[in-house]
Amino acid sequence: AQKVTQAQTEISVVEKEDVTLDCVYETRDTTYYLFWYKQPPSGELVFLIRRNSFDEQNEISGRYSWNFQKSTSSFNFTITASQVVDSAVYFCALTYGSSNTGKLIFGQGTTLQVKP
Amino acid sequence: GAVVSQHPSRVICKSGTSVKIECRSLDFQATTMFWYRQFPKKSLMLMATSNEGSKATYEQGVEKDKFLINHASLTLSTLTVTSAHPEDSSFYICSATPQGGMNTEAFFGQGTRLTVV
Repeated sequence: AQKVTQAQTEISVVEKEDVTLDCVYETRDTTYYLFWYKQPPSGELVFLIRRNSFDEQNEISGRYSWNFQKSTSSFNFTITASQVVDSAVYFCALTYGSSNTGKLIFGQGTTLQVKP
Repeated sequence: GAVVSQHPSRVICKSGTSVKIECRSLDFQATTMFWYRQFPKKSLMLMATSNEGSKATYEQGVEKDKFLINHASLTLSTLTVTSAHPEDSSFYICSATPQGGMNTEAFFGQGTRLTVV
């Protein structure tokens, strides 16, 4: 069965600290997509990244970076030099196999609080 | 990026009434849309897959008679919460992918916060 686990429920850091959000997934499919979304208090989901199962290359986008390791079924997200505006709930998500990438299983979410 | 518009963003209704939530893809056609529900401080749970021109596919445990889904066109899906009760209060959010659905991101609406009093 497909499953996404974000073991960290809440993380609190001080501004400028680096923080890593963990995501571990389970799937029997060989083709799948992994996502990270940010949900600020307003509720909308902000797309951060999509990674397919055949692309294990790590990615960096500004202060954000992602580490995808199929060997450990993990897709961790690091924010470097965190800022107060990074405070939000972050969700990791997995597609239901190779079907439409809109059909997602979400992790439980990690609430990140960045204090000034 | 593509835009998905969800309306209304907030709604308060009386117990026993029905509420309709619209999800529109503004600049692309979506044969498939998805409806999710999120309880406070919880994750998003897929409720159903909305297929244009055919019946929706509901996830296990979701009452199809309670949550009516209609996908009458390639740009519009509606979710109607029938005979709403306080336990139906939740954040509902839709998503859509351009036709084909593969190798692309899902675009989410802004969500609808439903409060049943």
